[in-house]
Amino acid sequence: DQQVKQNSPSLSVQEGRISILNCDYTNSMFDYFLWYKKYPAEGPTFLISISSIKDKNEDGRFTVFLNKSAKHLSLHIVPSQPGDSAVYFCACKDSNYQLIWGAGTKLIIKP
Amino acid sequence: GAVVSQHPSWVICKSGTSVKIECRSLDFQATTMFWYRQFPKQSLMLMATSNEGSKATYEQGVEKDKFLINHASLTLSTLTVTSAHPEDSSFYICSVRARGYNEQFFGPGTRLTVL
Repeated sequence: DQQVKQNSPSLSVQEGRISILNCDYTNSMFDYFLWYKKYPAEGPTFLISISSIKDKNEDGRFTVFLNKSAKHLSLHIVPSQPGDSAVYFCACKDSNYQLIWGAGTKLIIKP
Repeated sequence: GAVVSQHPSWVICKSGTSVKIECRSLDFQATTMFWYRQFPKQSLMLMATSNEGSKATYEQGVEKDKFLINHASLTLSTLTVTSAHPEDSSFYICSVRARGYNEQFFGPGTRLTVL
């Protein structure tokens, strides 16, 4: 049973527009949420995170929103740039410091 | 974030041989190290978690006798794929975490191809 779901396997966005990546989880005990970006044949790169006590965290073009009641988090990238094309994984941390990963969403930024 | 290296970045070997992959945390005391594998177009699959000085904890379905993990120090963990077979061909990635931190920092990955 998947505890973390990224229901969109891919997303195509025009350069300059907003990219919104979504992630849903089932375990209400998760207390920390992270987004990673991954290029082919490379390890994931940490992007941004949010604690369960917050509902928003912003870092430059990247903002993560957390809706605990809906068990939903999203990553907003604005404006989207060609270099943002990658696979984005959300990960949720449990009490054992293990990260439970979503399946990833491939973001394609069209010029 | 932490700087994590993996060696080798790419290895090709014959079926039946063993391959060792190193993961080094260059500027970070990695109290916990994780090993993942990723098949093409699939998500990361956690194989095992190791704490420095302790035996690794393997995920269900991962053979501990086939994938030997050693976490000898706060900066080095090794994964040995024993008697590799073509189905072991995959992208292996390590990550590190320091005590008290939530984030994991990843190495660049190792592409293993077993002929």
